[in-house]
Amino acid sequence: NAGVTQTPKFQVLKTGQSMTLQCAQDMNHNSMYWYRQDPGMGLRLIYYSASEGTTDKGEVPNGYNVSRLNKREFSLRLESAAPSQTSVYFCASQREKARMNTEAFFGQGTRLTVV
Amino acid sequence: LAKTTQPISMDSYEGQEVNITCSHNNIATNDYITWYQQFPSQGPRFIIQGYKTKVTNEVASLFIPADRKSSTLSLPRVSLSDTAVYYCLVGGGSGGYQKVTFGTGTKLQVIP
Repeated sequence: NAGVTQTPKFQVLKTGQSMTLQCAQDMNHNSMYWYRQDPGMGLRLIYYSASEGTTDKGEVPNGYNVSRLNKREFSLRLESAAPSQTSVYFCASQREKARMNTEAFFGQGTRLTVV
Repeated sequence: LAKTTQPISMDSYEGQEVNITCSHNNIATNDYITWYQQFPSQGPRFIIQGYKTKVTNEVASLFIPADRKSSTLSLPRVSLSDTAVYYCLVGGGSGGYQKVTFGTGTKLQVIP
């Protein structure tokens, strides 16, 4: 039972390069999220997807695009990476809200460095 | 979503009970209170969730007073492995979709 899987785990990019962070969940969850976490800080929401085919902006969407490819997969794309996007990126999934269970499951993170 | 306020950091000795309080003055009627734990270099992990009074599981207890404007996460007899950042989240509502939004959390350091 893998839960939430993120790839890659580490990445170094040059300024201006593009890349896509992949996330997949095997729990049949409807909701998926992308967060970034800068050193010593809390998590900030970049984008989220309430269901397949829908995406919405979070707190810090600028410089990112997302695709909810299907129910399992939610990818995050950096079109032109900047040093300010150096961070750890976490993907999460969450079961559709039921009355007593809004537990979110997180991946292990992708450490991205932009030089 | 209601704003939450937590202490930035706390220290505790091994074996002691630790209580972390979260303030959420603007909590809405249908909001739930959820706590997550994050170890270094890992994603957050769900600990406990509650609506009112007291909830207990194998990891922690959550105390919520009648006015629900605050909540206290209680960790019994902490060990070094409980050193982590603890996040309090408030949100939800009656049915439907809820996005999970985090604050800066409380960094707990357990001392031998």
